Amino acid sequence: DVKVTQSSRYLVKRTGEKVFLECVQDMDHENMFWYRQDPGLGLRLIYFSYDVKMKEKGDIPEGYSVSREKKERFSLILESASTNQTSMYLCASSLVERPISYNEQFFGPGTRLTVL
Amino acid sequence: GIQVEQSPPDLILQEGANSTLRCNFSDSVNNLQWFHQNPWGQLINLFYIPSGTKQNGRLSATTVATERYSLLYISSSQTTDSGVYFCAAGAGGYQKVTFGTGTKLQVIP
Repeated sequence: DVKVTQSSRYLVKRTGEKVFLECVQDMDHENMFWYRQDPGLGLRLIYFSYDVKMKEKGDIPEGYSVSREKKERFSLILESASTNQTSMYLCASSLVERPISYNEQFFGPGTRLTVL
Repeated sequence: GIQVEQSPPDLILQEGANSTLRCNFSDSVNNLQWFHQNPWGQLINLFYIPSGTKQNGRLSATTVATERYSLLYISSSQTTDSGVYFCAAGAGGYQKVTFGTGTKLQVIP
């Protein structure tokens, strides 16, 4: 079974702090994703990575950056946390199949971040 | 990008009842997934179904790609089925998907 883990279930930070959210997957997946989930808005893609050191902006990248130094690990960084970044953060990974025929994403348990 | 709409937004069922959740998407897709989010926030994969029909126990799903919709059927609902059901659809490279805003299901005894 695919296992995606996230470093913290709950996190409380202060405005202006630098915040690191870590995600690790154990299935050698090429693609990794960071989403945030807010009530009534579903999940929105922040950034994704399709290979080591590669990254692409998602729909709401402002205020965030990412790092992927190893294939199994994808980090989300809040350079200077703000209260509007209080949210649930979910990481996912997927395998690349060629031709593209199976694109299932698997999710970690999520990190509930509160910025005071 | 692809737009994804789910209906209904909220649903209350008596235990044992059946239900159908709908997901409409705005363009052709090569990725369509259904998830159940449990009360602890974990997204559980239900179906990967860009086309066709699949069944898993009391749950089944059908995607009619040419008409751009997918349906999730829950039969003989149980209280443990409560939670939010999300549909996610995508097309093109890098396997990006767009999520709908979900259907919140409450099954009452």
